[in-house]
Amino acid sequence: QVQLQESGPGLVKPSQTLSLTCTVSGGSISSGDYYWSWIRQPPGKGLEWIGYIYYSGSTYYNPSLKSRVTISVDTSKNQFSLKLSSVTAADTAVYYCARVSEIFGVMYYFDYWGQGTLVTVSS
Amino acid sequence: DIQMTQSPSSVSASVGDRVTITCRASQGISSWLAWYQQKPGKAPKLLIYAASSLQSGVPSRFSGSGSGTDFTLTISSLQPEDFATYYCQQANSFPPLTFGGGTKVEIK
Repeated sequence: QVQLQESGPGLVKPSQTLSLTCTVSGGSISSGDYYWSWIRQPPGKGLEWIGYIYYSGSTYYNPSLKSRVTISVDTSKNQFSLKLSSVTAADTAVYYCARVSEIFGVMYYFDYWGQGTLVTVSS
Repeated sequence: DIQMTQSPSSVSASVGDRVTITCRASQGISSWLAWYQQKPGKAPKLLIYAASSLQSGVPSRFSGSGSGTDFTLTISSLQPEDFATYYCQQANSFPPLTFGGGTKVEIK
């Protein structure tokens, strides 16, 4: 059973960089069978896809966040990470990591999720 | 970006009721749609992918249908544990992958 667990600071100051790590257990990121993604949800609002990464390091980002986002992978630790720069209060959200399955290279969906971690941007 | 519009935004229903939630895409997405269930304080859970394929372990009272721009999620007989918020997600044209705004199923 695949499990994902987010970790990182729960409070970040405005203009600084948000950094989170997702540790995967019960499966290997290096298998190459899946992509690995970050999704966020502001309090009381809907879901926003941030981006995903393949074990090789290839990434896809949401264009609305692309200038501020970096997703990286450490296969030796079976982890992938998110960095979001120049944060504002609008970046306050629960951040989820998730595994991405695909069909025929077209249908991408999130089949396993971490429990989520609340990150608050405030001075 | 493809916009996903869910309706209704909330629905009140009783245990045993049949509940239907609609998701409309701003342009055709073939059958590349997924549905998720989210309970308060929890991560979303995958219910259906590719519009109508039931994820392993999900009860058969959940079903999905549709293609192109119009999709539905149906709960054939609502159970107490089904009270939650439901989201659709398109994967036909990305980046970005986009979600609908959510439909909250509440107790009547």
